[in-house]
Amino acid sequence: DVKVTQSSRYLVKRTGEKVFLECVQDMDHENMFWYRQDPGLGLRLIYFSYDVKMKEKGDIPEGYSVSREKKERFSLILESASTNQTSMYLCASSSSGGATYEQYFGPGTRLTVT
Amino acid sequence: GQSLEQPSEVTAVEGAIVQINCTYQTSGFYGLSWYQQHDGGAPTFLSYNALDGLEETGRFSSFLSRSDSYGYLLLQELQMKDSASYFCAVSGAGNMLTFGGGTRLMVKP
Repeated sequence: DVKVTQSSRYLVKRTGEKVFLECVQDMDHENMFWYRQDPGLGLRLIYFSYDVKMKEKGDIPEGYSVSREKKERFSLILESASTNQTSMYLCASSSSGGATYEQYFGPGTRLTVT
Repeated sequence: GQSLEQPSEVTAVEGAIVQINCTYQTSGFYGLSWYQQHDGGAPTFLSYNALDGLEETGRFSSFLSRSDSYGYLLLQELQMKDSASYFCAVSGAGNMLTFGGGTRLMVKP
């Protein structure tokens, strides 16, 4: 079974703090994704990576950066957390080629910024 | 850009059939996916349609009409455990997924 794990289920941070969210997958997938999920808005893509050290902006990259130093690990960084970044953050992975429609998700990190 | 519309909430009774519709507008289209997410859980992949027609997987079926920019997820013989949120997602430019806002399905006894 594909397993995607995220470093924390719940996180509370203060405005202005630098926040790191970590994601690890164990299926040797090339593609990894970071989404945020808000009620009524579905999942919105923040960044994705199709290879080590490669990254592409998604629909809402502002205020976020990412790092992929190893194939299995994809980190989301909030440089200076703000209250409007309070959300559920979901990491996902998929194999390369045409199968990006089948993504495997981690359990999510619920981030609260106060 | 891409936009998807699906109903926010659907209610049905155990044993019934329910259809969740999804309409989309997209600048590039490869296919339509469906995901299920239980409260507190991770989204899980259900189905994918690249071509017009119906795809069946057990109690779940998914339909696509590319000419109408429309698809639906059909759930038969509803069970209580089917209570969850269901998301349609379009594979578009760059092969990224764009998700709809989700449909919350409540199954009542």
